[in-house]
Amino acid sequence: AQSVTQLDSHVSVSEGTPVLLRCNYSSSYSPSLFWYVQHPNKGLQLLLKYTSAATLVKGINGFEAEFKKSETSFHLTKPSAHMSDAAEYFCVVTSGDSNYQLIWGAGTKLIIKP
Amino acid sequence: SQTIHQWPATLVQPVGSPLSLECTVEGTSNPNLYWYRQAAGRGLQLLFYSVGIGQISSEVPQNLSASRPQDRQFILSSKKLLLSDSGFYLCAWSVVGQRETQYFGPGTRLLVL
Repeated sequence: AQSVTQLDSHVSVSEGTPVLLRCNYSSSYSPSLFWYVQHPNKGLQLLLKYTSAATLVKGINGFEAEFKKSETSFHLTKPSAHMSDAAEYFCVVTSGDSNYQLIWGAGTKLIIKP
Repeated sequence: SQTIHQWPATLVQPVGSPLSLECTVEGTSNPNLYWYRQAAGRGLQLLFYSVGIGQISSEVPQNLSASRPQDRQFILSSKKLLLSDSGFYLCAWSVVGQRETQYFGPGTRLLVL
């Protein structure tokens, strides 16, 4: 069965410093992986996705993630945090058991300090 | 462009009362439709998905049901709400065959008292 673990429930960084949100997955096949972002009082939005092409994936708002099969990781990074990045971030993996199921991590709340 | 609407935004209901949450999509045809529940501190749990009118699949057993009476309308219902039904409910759609990219509505916050 597939699963996703987001290692930190909260991450706090100062504006202008790098962001690292960690995600590890477990899958018995080659999954697709995604990061979604949920801003306060707004809906969920796809940030980026990995679907077996280049292992370094660039998304919106300067975020990127690297798929590392040997480490079963898909960490999200950004070189310099902005106040507008404050949101909750979800790591997601496709389910091999269902053509429609996505397996969601518990989320990481990113806090940006001025 | 495509838009997805959900209503109501917030709902407070007594235990044992019925529920009807509505979701509509504009600007696309024959979408896949999804209902999720998001609990605080937890990820999204897929409740139902639909690939066409009248076609509903349930991922988990529960007190809720879903219907798709029209191509771009998806309804989440319950005959008798339980306290445990409280949560944040999200509707989403995707292009057929592209489950990876789902577009979410603004959500409905349901509080059952």
